[in-house]
Amino acid sequence: EDQVTQSPEALRLQEGESSSLNCSYTVSGLRGLFWYRQDPGKGPEFLFTLYSAGEEKEKERLKATLTKKESFLHITAPKPEDSATYLCAVQGYNTDKLIFGTGTRLQVFP
Amino acid sequence: GAGVSQSPSNKVTEKGKDVELRCDPISGHTALYWYRQSLGQGLEFLIYFQGNSAPDKSGLPSDRFSAERTGGSVSTLTIQRTQQEDSAVYLCASSELATGELFFGEGSRLTVL
Repeated sequence: EDQVTQSPEALRLQEGESSSLNCSYTVSGLRGLFWYRQDPGKGPEFLFTLYSAGEEKEKERLKATLTKKESFLHITAPKPEDSATYLCAVQGYNTDKLIFGTGTRLQVFP
Repeated sequence: GAGVSQSPSNKVTEKGKDVELRCDPISGHTALYWYRQSLGQGLEFLIYFQGNSAPDKSGLPSDRFSAERTGGSVSTLTIQRTQQEDSAVYLCASSELATGELFFGEGSRLTVL
């Protein structure tokens, strides 16, 4: 069964303090791994798609990386506006649905 | 509008009543998904539509839950005889090609008293 586990559940960072969020996954043939950002009371917002081990994607202060078993979302010099819940999801070859992890709630304080 | 629209945004109902939740996807998006998010939990897959057909209904929790999509556009999720455990935020998302880049609505928050 496809599964996604995210850690830590919550992370508090001071502004400018870089860190990484982890997403471990098991899937029967990875079609894609996805990162989303969710603000309170809103639907998730798409950030990145990664397709194969070794691939990296960047957007502003965020960089996502992928290995055969996990993905990392690196946050460099975060700002308070980066505070949100970050969700990881996988899609297998034989399905069109995405399986989501429970997310990492990130708080960045000044 | 340009985004995915869901209604109602909030619904409070009594146990045993039926509810209908509506989703208007982005125009031209053929794939449509329903997910459920309980407090502090991740997104739980319910059902996926490609056009008007639903090739994957594996996430519907019981036969009290049903969904349809008409005209390759609007979708309705119906919950019959609601129970307190049905309380959650129901999220709809659409995608052009079911490629994983999903565009989500803001959700319908359902509270069953």
